[in-house]
Parts: sequence; C-alpha cells; structure tokens
Amino acid sequence: DIVMTQSPDSLAVSLGERATINCKSSQSVLSSSNNKNYLAWYQQKPGQPPKLLIYWASTRASGVPDRFSGSGSGTDFTLTISSLQAEDVAVYYCQQYYTPPDFGPGTKVDIK
Amino acid sequence: EVRLVESGGGLVKPGGSLRLSCAASGFTFGSAWMSWVRQAPGKGLEWVGRIRTKTEGEATDYAAPVKGRFTVSRDDSENSVYLQLNSLKTEDTAMYYCVTGGGTFDYWGQGTLVIVSS
Repeated sequence: DIVMTQSPDSLAVSLGERATINCKSSQSVLSSSNNKNYLAWYQQKPGQPPKLLIYWASTRASGVPDRFSGSGSGTDFTLTISSLQAEDVAVYYCQQYYTPPDFGPGTKVDIK
Repeated sequence: EVRLVESGGGLVKPGGSLRLSCAASGFTFGSAWMSWVRQAPGKGLEWVGRIRTKTEGEATDYAAPVKGRFTVSRDDSENSVYLQLNSLKTEDTAMYYCVTGGGTFDYWGQGTLVIVSS
C-alpha cells in the first residue's frame, strides 16, 4: 500500500502571504504509461464536506481560484496558496489514486 | 447541479448492521464510478470502497479495514448507490460521505453519521 504523509501538521500564515503544504508518497504515483501523477488535493472547511482543488498534481478543478497551485512529481508534491485569504482557513488533504485511493493525514491552515 | 444526498445513518450496537443510501442527481449516474469516504470525529479522511459502472460489471474495491464486512452496490434505475455495513465495530463510527468518482472525488454529499456504541 502507498502511505501518504504531509507536512507540516498545521501552519499559520498572515493574510496575503504564501502558504506551502508538502505531501510525500511512499512510492511513486507517476504513471509511465501516460506520464501523469495520480495525486489530488482537497480543501475541507469546518463543518463542510471536502472539496476537490487539484488533480493530476497540478490541474485546478473547475472554479478553483488561481491562487491555489499544485506542483511536484513522483513522490514529492506541494500545494501552494500564493496569497492567503480568510476563506482559505481549512484542512488540506493530499490523496493518491495510483492504487486504491488513500489520503494524507491533513494540514490545518490558519490565519496568523 | 450535481446533488448527492445520503441517508440511513444512526446509532447501532457493535456487531450490528446498517444500510446507507445515496440519492444522486445532476449527472449521468449510470456512467459514473461511485465511492464512499468516511471521516471519524475529529480525524482525517478514509476511502471505504467504490463501485464501477454496469458496463464494467459493477466491480467493487474496498479498503482493508472494511473488506469482507462492507458492501457497495448501485441501482442505476434509482440513481442510487448503497453501502451495507455489517459486523460493525466501534472504530467504524464516522461521517460517511457518498462521492462521485473512483480515483478523484469530484462531488461530495453532506454525509450521514454512523455511531457504533453499546
């Protein structure tokens, strides 16, 4: 099984500043057949179900603001919020779908 | 607009059973893989299981902790997906979300809460 880890567990960022979340998989999630990374990011605000933000490691889902970006390949990935807004306070999860899906433990983002 | 509405959650004793339902609308249900994802109180997300389309034989996959105890099924005539939970354990206590997809999870319901307690 692929094990997903995230760092940090939580972070506090000033409004308008950059937030960076890291995700690591225990095995590569890069497919040699299509050169795609089977890695997604979700945002979960308090009291709400999660929302898909990014898939294929760097493709924004429909309606997701462009301040959210994903990068990385193989086993190491990053979600960046370029200019943190108040509405971005949430827990962020990475998820691999190379094998039966599995989520990372989550990173909580707060305002400093 | 995609809509997923779960029902069937509640309080059940360890060893008991429950059947969750999810009514879907706003997309071509019969062409979609469907999954269930759960979240224990104050914890992270855990994929539970998924079902492929009828043309793919409605094949299913399950996470290791629930394999042999939980069953995902679907009824395309009702635009519904189900999760049968048997031999429930206290650690199955969670919010259970119905989601579209089998790899990425594009749309989520609001969830139905299952509490396993004596």
